[in-house]
Amino acid sequence: GAGVSQSPSNKVTEKGKDVELRCDPISGHTALYWYRQSLGQGLEFLIYFQGNSAPDKSGLPSDRFSAERTGGSVSTLTIQRTQQEDSAVYLCASRPTSGRTGEQYFGPGTRLTVT
Amino acid sequence: AQSVTQLGSHVSVSEGALVLLRCNYSSSVPPYLFWYVQYPNQGLQLLLKYTSAATLVKGINGFEAEFKKSETSFHLTKPSAHMSDAAEYFCAVSFRDDKIIFGKGTRLHILP
Repeated sequence: GAGVSQSPSNKVTEKGKDVELRCDPISGHTALYWYRQSLGQGLEFLIYFQGNSAPDKSGLPSDRFSAERTGGSVSTLTIQRTQQEDSAVYLCASRPTSGRTGEQYFGPGTRLTVT
Repeated sequence: AQSVTQLGSHVSVSEGALVLLRCNYSSSVPPYLFWYVQYPNQGLQLLLKYTSAATLVKGINGFEAEFKKSETSFHLTKPSAHMSDAAEYFCAVSFRDDKIIFGKGTRLHILP
């Protein structure tokens, strides 16, 4: 079956512009996660959703970052007024309804470059 | 506070030698633990996971990890390294809720 997909795969934007990153999880997966991967920083947790609710937004770096999920499916991560330090690979993962033991399935990521 | 620590951002081993990648966690509740691997220019995939059954967990490609509660560790091992094992390895922990956090990763280099 289809895996987690993310779009766009690459995004180059000018400093100060807004960007939207999209994640399509595996059908039926209720949990959805966003991470940021920067060189030497590993996977930085940003936010996760259970259904359409986000129980934990503590990882969002600033109020320029926001995310939403609709219909328990597609999620969008929005970065407003992008800064050069926002350049990174943004990874999305989904997880089935098997509780804490279920593995995450990762998408290929969106590489964001802010010039 | 919940945290995951991977000791060594880079580890080099000779082909055929033992691989040992270290992961320690901090948690006041029983965690569920995962190791993921990311090959060059590829996405992350699950190597193995601990979910409170057997403390010694076997995964794909000959890797295994042992959960040691007393040491709050979940180190990843493989008896004999292959060139194809060169990749970045991430330890991840799920705590009380469904939040999952990752360590900073360890890049494994295999020397011929």
